[in-house]
Amino acid sequence: QVQLVQSGSELKKPGASVKVSCKASGYTFTKFAMNWVRQAPGQGLEWMGGINTNTGNPTNAQGFTGRFVFSLDTSVTTAYLQISSLKAEDTAVYYCARRVINSYDYWGQGTLLTVSS
Amino acid sequence: EIVLTQSPGTLSLSPGERATLSCRASQSVSSTSLAWYQQKPGQAPRLLIYGASSRATGIPDRFSGSGSGTDFTLTISRLEPEDFVVYYCQQYGSSTGTFGQGTKVEIK
Repeated sequence: QVQLVQSGSELKKPGASVKVSCKASGYTFTKFAMNWVRQAPGQGLEWMGGINTNTGNPTNAQGFTGRFVFSLDTSVTTAYLQISSLKAEDTAVYYCARRVINSYDYWGQGTLLTVSS
Repeated sequence: EIVLTQSPGTLSLSPGERATLSCRASQSVSSTSLAWYQQKPGQAPRLLIYGASSRATGIPDRFSGSGSGTDFTLTISRLEPEDFVVYYCQQYGSSTGTFGQGTKVEIK
């Protein structure tokens, strides 16, 4: 069965970096793009962008450029989201989601990132 | 960037009633690109409808989607207790995606 398993909660200080992982199993990893979605506390879903798992080509949404980097390690069927120069406003739950054509059929369980001094 | 506006923000209904949720796009969206998700507290979103009107695997037939162009609708024919949560529409096209701000369905 298809599963996306994300790394655990993180507590970081402002200015630090974090790398969130999303381990995929149960399907051919390189056949579906992986996207990332942010949900700030009590807020809605924001599309951050994603990565073509076949070519490694990333696409960043407006507002998620520069500090936000999407990457892959196809040898371990894992996608990554790295955020640098963390700010308090980066505090959120981050989800990976498998894109099938134009929708997201499987989601990771979410990774809570807290940025606080 | 296509902006999706959902209405109403909150919908107050009773179990057994019909719910009609709206999603309006700032420009025309391909019907193949419009999806609906349900999110329960503390959980990841779940795909309900894709391609504007196709139910995802395992989704009960009380959920249905319709619409085209800039106006799309999610209908829940008879609300069950577990349906009183938040719903999002989403579009993906030209390598970019956006979500609506969500509609909360609450018990009246």
